[in-house]
Amino acid sequence: SAVISQKPSRDICQRGTSLTIQCQVDSQVTMMFWYRQQPGQSLTLIATANQGSEATYESGFVIDKFPISRPNLTFSTLTVSNMSPEDSSIYLCSSRGSNTEAFFGQGTRLTVV
Amino acid sequence: GQQLNQSPQSMFIQEGEDVSMNCTSSSIFNTWLWYKQDPGEGPVLLIALYKAGELTSNGRLTAQFGITRKDSFLNISASIPSDVGIYFCAGPKIMNRDDKIIFGKGTRLHILP
Repeated sequence: SAVISQKPSRDICQRGTSLTIQCQVDSQVTMMFWYRQQPGQSLTLIATANQGSEATYESGFVIDKFPISRPNLTFSTLTVSNMSPEDSSIYLCSSRGSNTEAFFGQGTRLTVV
Repeated sequence: GQQLNQSPQSMFIQEGEDVSMNCTSSSIFNTWLWYKQDPGEGPVLLIALYKAGELTSNGRLTAQFGITRKDSFLNISASIPSDVGIYFCAGPKIMNRDDKIIFGKGTRLHILP
């Protein structure tokens, strides 16, 4: 399984600002995914980060709000833009194993005040 | 669309008891995944199931891929305090040629002192 590192692990941000979350995988992976986990809730897929092309967003998520970069096969960033308290969540980066299974970083716990 | 219905939502048990939780869907899944999430951490893969009828164990954990391919269960035998956490079932949501992992709402396991 891949080892996935995210940073920051947590942050408290002012509303209206933006935060960029970094995700590093210890091996080259074709697909990386970003999830959001709101307090007490399950994981919801935000987008698929494709290397060499634009990210593919799920319904309810847009590029202007959650721009994603994927400059190479081991790294991706997710930016949470113009934050509001409703964006307070855990944001999780994921990559896929050889057999469909997903592996996760430890998450970034974001609190917007 | 494909959704995963997980039950129970929460469980309160005594240490040493066995635990059973399940996951159902109105759609067929080709893979079932079971994860555990501890507070402040990302989900960790416990068991992956790839074939209808498959029964797989990982220590005190046993999971089965239902014959209809629309359900799966996870059992934990002789629970211990470190079993506390949230258990998620998950599977690939097949759209076009991308299989994105979607998650059930989770079962929160509490162990009474």
